[in-house]
This record gives sequence, structure tokens and C-alpha cells, in this order.
Amino acid sequence: DAKTTQPPSMDCAEGRAANLPCNHSTISGNEYVYWYRQIHSQGPQYIIHGLKNNETNEMASLIITEDRKSSTLILPHATLRDTAVYYCIVGSGGSYIPTFGRGTSLIVHP
Amino acid sequence: NAGVTQTPKFQVLKTGQSMTLQCAQDMNHNSMYWYRQDPGMGLRLIYYSASEGTTDKGEVPNGYNVSRLNKREFSLRLESAAPSQTSVYFCASTLDNGNTIYFGEGSWLTVV
Repeated sequence: DAKTTQPPSMDCAEGRAANLPCNHSTISGNEYVYWYRQIHSQGPQYIIHGLKNNETNEMASLIITEDRKSSTLILPHATLRDTAVYYCIVGSGGSYIPTFGRGTSLIVHP
Repeated sequence: NAGVTQTPKFQVLKTGQSMTLQCAQDMNHNSMYWYRQDPGMGLRLIYYSASEGTTDKGEVPNGYNVSRLNKREFSLRLESAAPSQTSVYFCASTLDNGNTIYFGEGSWLTVV
């Protein structure tokens, strides 16, 4: 399974867009990009996933580059409740074992 | 639907004691996982079960055993607890490998 690289921490002003990058340069053609977040002390929560097209749901948008080697999770109007650790993972298929790195700690400040 | 339910939520053990963490899911998922998370760290996979009747080691299996009792339940056992096993334990499940993963709320274990 492809590995991912994320910055360890980021901060964002409340009400502004938070753009969280993820590098997955070894991703293979059938692997999806998944994003999860973990609010302090809780279990991680699914946010969004995509294969090659950009995706949007009520929580966030996912932009995947054309070569699929990187992606960006966008929280369009960050709130204080979006302060969390965000994990980007890739994988697909029967042999996929979800592997979580340290993620990006996003702090949204007033 | 309760989703993924873990018990107990909190537990304090003495070194050498044994205990079992219980996990159950009501989503008819095939795959289940046990992770541990230490302060400031990501989640590390202990064991997983791709389907009922099968279990496999993850990244950090030493000191643990698991049982996939049926499709719903996946338990994690510490036979002889050590202080190094003090951690937060998360159970998770997914319909099949590669699908969205659902996590329980975590079990806080302290070994003294």
C-alpha cells in the first residue's frame, strides 16, 4: 500500500479555509485517498474519499492532483470545532490494511 | 445502529494481570481491527480480522491475542499486562478492506 506524508501541524483562523496537504507519490491506479479526523480523545471519523476526481460533501472538499501523487483536504469555513488531527491514508482492495501515520494537527484559532 | 461498541471504556490493571477488551459492531461488516494509540502518536495496528474465522498480526502484536468470536465480535486479550501496554485502544470495522472504516470510542487502559 502507498505511504503518505503530511505536515505535522498547521493552524488556521476561524472562518477561513483550511487547506491540508497530503503527499502520496507511490499511489497505484486502483488506490483511493481517504481522509479521517480525530477530535481529541475520540475515535477517528471518516471525512471524505476519492479516486481521481475532486469530491465534495457536507464536511469538506477533496482535491486530487491530475497525477494523483498528492491531494488537499479543504475545510471551506473552519470553526473551532474543526481543531483535530487529520489523517490521509491510501489503499484499496482485499489486501488493504488501513495504516495511519501521525497525521496533521490542525488548530483553528479565533 | 450503535456502530462499533467497545467495553470497558476505562480500566486500570496491575502488572501481570490479564484482561479482555470487547468489541462489537452491528453493521454486518466483514473486517475488524484493533489499534493502539500512545500520546502524540498515530494509530498502530495490533491485529486484524479480514473475515469471520481469520485473524492476522499487525504492526505491534506482541503481548496480545485476539478472537473473532463471530461476525459481530472481535476481542483483544492481554494475558500478562505490562506498563508498556498503557494506551488507548480503538476497535474499528469496515465492510471489506478498502472501504470506509468506522471506529469505536476507545478504551483507556492503564497498567501500573
